[in-house]
Amino acid sequence: EVQLVESGGGLVKPGGSLRLSCAASGFTFSSYSMNWVRQAPGKGLEWVSSISSSSSYIYYADSVKGRFTISRDNAKNSLYLQMNSLRAEDTAVYYCARDRGGYCSSTSCYAVDMDVWGKGTTVTVSS
Amino acid sequence: DVVMTQSPLSLPVTLGQPASISCRSSQSLVYSDGNTYLNWFQQRPGQSPRRLIYKVSNRDSGVPDRFSGSGSGTDFTLKISRVEAEDVGVYYCMQGTHWPRVTFGQGTRLEIK
Repeated sequence: EVQLVESGGGLVKPGGSLRLSCAASGFTFSSYSMNWVRQAPGKGLEWVSSISSSSSYIYYADSVKGRFTISRDNAKNSLYLQMNSLRAEDTAVYYCARDRGGYCSSTSCYAVDMDVWGKGTTVTVSS
Repeated sequence: DVVMTQSPLSLPVTLGQPASISCRSSQSLVYSDGNTYLNWFQQRPGQSPRRLIYKVSNRDSGVPDRFSGSGSGTDFTLKISRVEAEDVGVYYCMQGTHWPRVTFGQGTRLEIK
């Protein structure tokens, strides 16, 4: 069974840091791009960051650029999101999502599809 | 960024009746490979999003056939032929064409009348 399990969320003060993890199982993790998507309380979905299978393509939303860092360890089937300089507006449930696209090969580029999502981990930024 | 606009934002439906949600994009969603990367997601209360439809009209595995997607270019629709109690939740459209800046609609809350 394809599964994504996020962890690492919690309560942090403004200006603090957190590192989120996403453990993948049931598929060949190293063959897929991955995304982080967040959802503020009572709000809609916002794409945060993406990383291609070999980490060659990394992208961030403007709202987190310079503060968040996405990474992955294909040997450990794991995706990470290092979040620094956290703000109240970063309070949200953070989901990881698998993707077959979001990268370019030598001949073609592949669009994003986000087919499988985890259950999410909650980040609360408050003093 | 491509703006995705859903309507209605709230959708009360009687059990067994049809439902329809519209999603419009501010730019064409046709990708260079000729496909259109418009997905529909369902988020039941307290759960994470689940993809129902990909590339406009393809149902994901395990999705009941009462769900269907249609549209082209900038105008898309999700239809539920006969609403069941388990369909309650929020529905989002998402464009993946103009990556990496993937964008979602605001969400449509479906409730039972």
